[in-house]
Amino acid sequence: ETGVTQSPTHLIKTRGQQVTLRCSSQSGHNTVSWYQQALGQGPQFIFQYYREEENGRGNFPPRFSGLQFPNYSSELNVNALELDDSALYLCASSFVMNTEAFFGQGTRLTVV
Amino acid sequence: KNEVEQSPQNLTAQEGEFITINCSYSVGISALHWLQQHPGGGIVSLFMLSSGKKKHGRLIATINIQEKHSSLHITASHPRDSAVYICAVVAIGRAQKLVFGQGTRLTINP
Repeated sequence: ETGVTQSPTHLIKTRGQQVTLRCSSQSGHNTVSWYQQALGQGPQFIFQYYREEENGRGNFPPRFSGLQFPNYSSELNVNALELDDSALYLCASSFVMNTEAFFGQGTRLTVV
Repeated sequence: KNEVEQSPQNLTAQEGEFITINCSYSVGISALHWLQQHPGGGIVSLFMLSSGKKKHGRLIATINIQEKHSSLHITASHPRDSAVYICAVVAIGRAQKLVFGQGTRLTINP
C-alpha cells in the first residue's frame, strides 16, 4: 500500500468526450507526475506538478491539462478524447523527484 | 533509439533460478529506479539508486554510473516474482521526470 490513490480505476468514454482523472498523493509529498502507458509500452511522461505549479511537460498536446490542489492532490483532464488516448494513466508522488516515487494503481481509460 | 533500454524484453525461467535484468541509459541521470508492475497495472517501487548497490530480500540492484548501466538480480526466483520489471531514470535537466524503459516481462515457472 503506497498511500497514492487514483480514481476511478476503470473508465470507458466515447471519442470527443472529456475526462477527469484524480490522484491523491502520499501524505507529505509535494510533487505529482502523470504518465500514460499504452498497452505493451513503458510509461510516457505527461507532466509534473510541484507545489501547485506545472514543473515540466512531456510531448502531449494542450488538450491534456492538469491541476494540483493545496493538499497536493492532482487532476488530469483530457479534452476531445481520441481512440489513441486509450491507456493506463499513472500518477506518482514524491517529495521532490530525487526521492523515491510512489505510484498509484492507475486508471485504465478506454475510448470507444 | 530509446534513452533507456532494457534487456531482455521477455524472460522465462524455472523456479529457483538466478535472474538478471539489464538496463542501459544514454542520458545523464541523478537517480535510477527499478519498478515492478503486476497485471492490472499497479507499479511498486523496488529500489532507487544513485550509486553502488542495494539489497532487499532476494532482490539486488547495482548501478555503474560511468558505464551508464544498472542490473536487477533476483536470487532463488519464485513464481510470485512473475511481473514486468521496469527501469526508469531521473534525467538531469528534464524537470526531474522519470524516463522509462520498455520493461522486461519475467515469467517464473514452478
